[in-house]
Amino acid sequence: GAGVSQSPRYKVAKRGQDVALRCDPISGHVSLFWYQQALGQGPEFLTYFQNEAQLDKSGLPSDRFFAERPEGSVSTLKIQRTQQEDSAVYLCASSLAVSAGLRSGNTIYFGEGSWLTVV
Amino acid sequence: AQKITQTQPGMFVQEKEAVTLDCTYDTSDPSYGLFWYKQPSSGEMIFLIYQGSYDQQNATEGRYSLNFQKARKSANLVISASQLGDSAMYFCAMREVPSGYSTLTFGKGTMLLVSP
Repeated sequence: GAGVSQSPRYKVAKRGQDVALRCDPISGHVSLFWYQQALGQGPEFLTYFQNEAQLDKSGLPSDRFFAERPEGSVSTLKIQRTQQEDSAVYLCASSLAVSAGLRSGNTIYFGEGSWLTVV
Repeated sequence: AQKITQTQPGMFVQEKEAVTLDCTYDTSDPSYGLFWYKQPSSGEMIFLIYQGSYDQQNATEGRYSLNFQKARKSANLVISASQLGDSAMYFCAMREVPSGYSTLTFGKGTMLLVSP
């Protein structure tokens, strides 16, 4: 598709359940990012992929969070043993270039997000 | 210290009027980029406008313009002729160069409500 696609759009999980969130970036985009956005807050960085390589996972809040992008396109964010504080919108984003070259063509494009509620 | 500060939790404006959303940033890097995104209730982050630290002119995109004051480290978004569809959350974000693949750092956002 033309934009970043995420699924599921909405997920309700029981506490302790594992969830998997999928991101399909814009075709050809090298860089892929995951963000977590709590209610009423700005997005917070979770992790970054350059093609299939996970170059930065400094934002992952705990070892219950795991992300992969095995073939350098689709990415999955997995949360194990979900807890109530994991409730948030999980945004995926992609950009064409690798470097942070400051040109408008390197804009980061976001998907609509996956809304996770842990009950 | 916060890298991006948006001091206005909420703003109200009447349709067809102009509105300015404030953003200040903090960085010691000479090369950086500033972005504004719009987030409607659907949740998608929609890119609006971009300003590079070395750009000589203020960025403009249709009804959006960025009032970039480098010395003050501010990058305010100006929306001219507001429309009802402009009601949304607006986020200012910064991307710094030296990290290579650096990501965006967001402010807490400003909720804009446009009334008829």
